[in-house]
This record gives sequence, C-alpha cells and structure tokens, in this order.
Amino acid sequence: QQKVQQSPESLSVPEGGMASLNCTSSDRNFQYFWWYRQHSGEGPKALMSIFSDGDKKEGRFTAHLNKASLHVSLHIRDSQPSDSALYFCAARASSGSWQLIFGSGTQLTVMP
Amino acid sequence: AQTIHQWPVAEIKAVGSPLSLGCTIKGKSSPNLYWYWQATGGTLQQLFYSITVGQVESVVQLNLSASRPKDDQFILSTEKLLLSHSGFYLCAWSLGDYYEQYFGPGTRLTVL
Repeated sequence: QQKVQQSPESLSVPEGGMASLNCTSSDRNFQYFWWYRQHSGEGPKALMSIFSDGDKKEGRFTAHLNKASLHVSLHIRDSQPSDSALYFCAARASSGSWQLIFGSGTQLTVMP
Repeated sequence: AQTIHQWPVAEIKAVGSPLSLGCTIKGKSSPNLYWYWQATGGTLQQLFYSITVGQVESVVQLNLSASRPKDDQFILSTEKLLLSHSGFYLCAWSLGDYYEQYFGPGTRLTVL
C-alpha cells in the first residue's frame, strides 16, 4: 500500500472556483510535507511546504496540516485555467531517511 | 540563478541496448542531486540520491545505475534496456534534505 495517498484522482472546477485536494499518510514518521504541481510534459515545481499543524497561505494557495490525523490538504481559491495540472503531495520522515515519497497525484482541470 | 539541464530531451531505444542520461546543474555548488522515474500520468519514484561527488545512494535500482562524476553532473545509465524502463526521467536538486527540490525538464524514454 502506498504510504502517501491522494484524493480525488481527478477534479474539475469552474474558473474562479475553489479546488480542494487531499493527502493522507499511513506512516506516522512523515512529518514534512510539500505540494508539487506538474504541467503536462514538464518537470514538477514546488508550490509550498508545510511542517507545522495548521494553515499556511501563499497567495491563492492554502495548505493545511493535521499531524494527529496525518492529513494534509491544499486549497486553491479563484482557480485559473493555468492551474490545470497534476498535483502531488510529497512527504519526508523526520529522521533516518532521505527519501521523498510522492503520492499518486490529483489531476485538476479548471474549466473556462 | 540556478539552471538545471537534462539531455537528451527524448530517446527511442531498442530493448537490450545501452542508455546514458545526463543532468547538469549550473549556479549552485555541492547541491543534493536526485533521479526520479515517472510512468505516464503516474507518481514519481525516487531512484537515486547523491550528496557529493562519487557518492550515490539507491532507493530502487530497476536495473539502472547512477554516477556523479562532477559536482554539477549526475548520470543515469544501464547496459541493457528493458521495456519497463520506458517513462519520464527527471533530475532534481536541492539545498538539503528538508528543502524543496527543483526539477529539470525531464527526458522522455521509449523502449521498443
């Protein structure tokens, strides 16, 4: 079973709407989380990191972390067609491993 | 500014043939370097990791090997390609384990 699971697999939202993406870890050692975005044919690009419980906001993007439930979410407000991409949650253990584990991804489509 | 270059952009190779993919990072000394593999539309699987010249750690080998002959260069290779090697290969760098990773544009490999 994959250690970092994302939902939904795909999501469609209208332009200007709110997109909400979810990520759950099955490993309590994972303490550090990132959200990456990948446009078709390109390499992924980091959107934001979150290491502490609570919310972290950067522009239109807000990440939320709940370490007790091992749940991370990403909310995109005022979604734009350029936000259409594959979104990954990635997690790293607090110590003992240098591996970055990526989730299965959520394909977001923003409809004009 | 740091730049990451991958070569070639794309390759079509026969099963059983050798392969060498390259990655160069300019503008950053002694970065951590990574190789990833991605099936079409799939998640990213970390393959190799290097913190310094001559040192490479493997996560999943998939009949591949990696080397870091220079501080700014990371090479992925195999002597015999398998059909399962097809996919998108991504090189990335970071300042350290708990920093975001910066990905290159990738190399699309098709094995026939």
